[in-house]
Amino acid sequence: DGGITQSPKYLFRKEGQNVTLSCEQNLNHDAMYWYRQDPGQGLRLIYYSQIVNDFQKGDIAEGYSVSREKKESFPLTVTSAQKNPTAFYLCASSILSGNDGYTFGSGTRLTVV
Amino acid sequence: GQNIDQPTEMTATEGAIVQINCTYQTSGFNGLFWYQQHAGEAPTFLSYNVLDGLEEKGRFSSFLSRSKGYSYLLLKELQMKDSASYLCAVQSDSWGKFQFGAGTQVVVTP
Repeated sequence: DGGITQSPKYLFRKEGQNVTLSCEQNLNHDAMYWYRQDPGQGLRLIYYSQIVNDFQKGDIAEGYSVSREKKESFPLTVTSAQKNPTAFYLCASSILSGNDGYTFGSGTRLTVV
Repeated sequence: GQNIDQPTEMTATEGAIVQINCTYQTSGFNGLFWYQQHAGEAPTFLSYNVLDGLEEKGRFSSFLSRSKGYSYLLLKELQMKDSASYLCAVQSDSWGKFQFGAGTQVVVTP
């Protein structure tokens, strides 16, 4: 069955460390997205990509980086420059028009220790 | 700026009906989605409206008025498993980038 897989489910980061969150999809979707979810707030867009080797900043890109070397994969790196990284991170994919909505991964909960 | 508003929390009894309202102000409009999200899990698709009117899908219905920038999600015959957060999302561009509301936490009581 096709789907979108995020790993790990839980991740702990020490101060000053970079960490990378994995997102892989086998839905043949062109577009992929990273959102951050904090309690009481809507999903906020970090980065998105419509095509391989191209990506765009979302509303809260500072302190994050991404790559899109393959259509199936869109990893997110949370760098030490991100001052408040503790959050629930959701990866999603869609057909380019978005008319079918998003398929979401199961999320990664990142905690700074 | 872009703004999507929905109530923070609603409580209803098992078997009852609950209506979750969503108002939006966005630079463009190409469709409105409703998602259900249980705590700690991924959102799952419930409904999609692009034209005015009511879309019915089993116990869930969604309504859209583009002129008023307004949508609602109607949950009928509530079950305990319907306790979740319900997210309103607007597709404001011609492709897939969405703007999400903060979500409405629905609590179903026995």
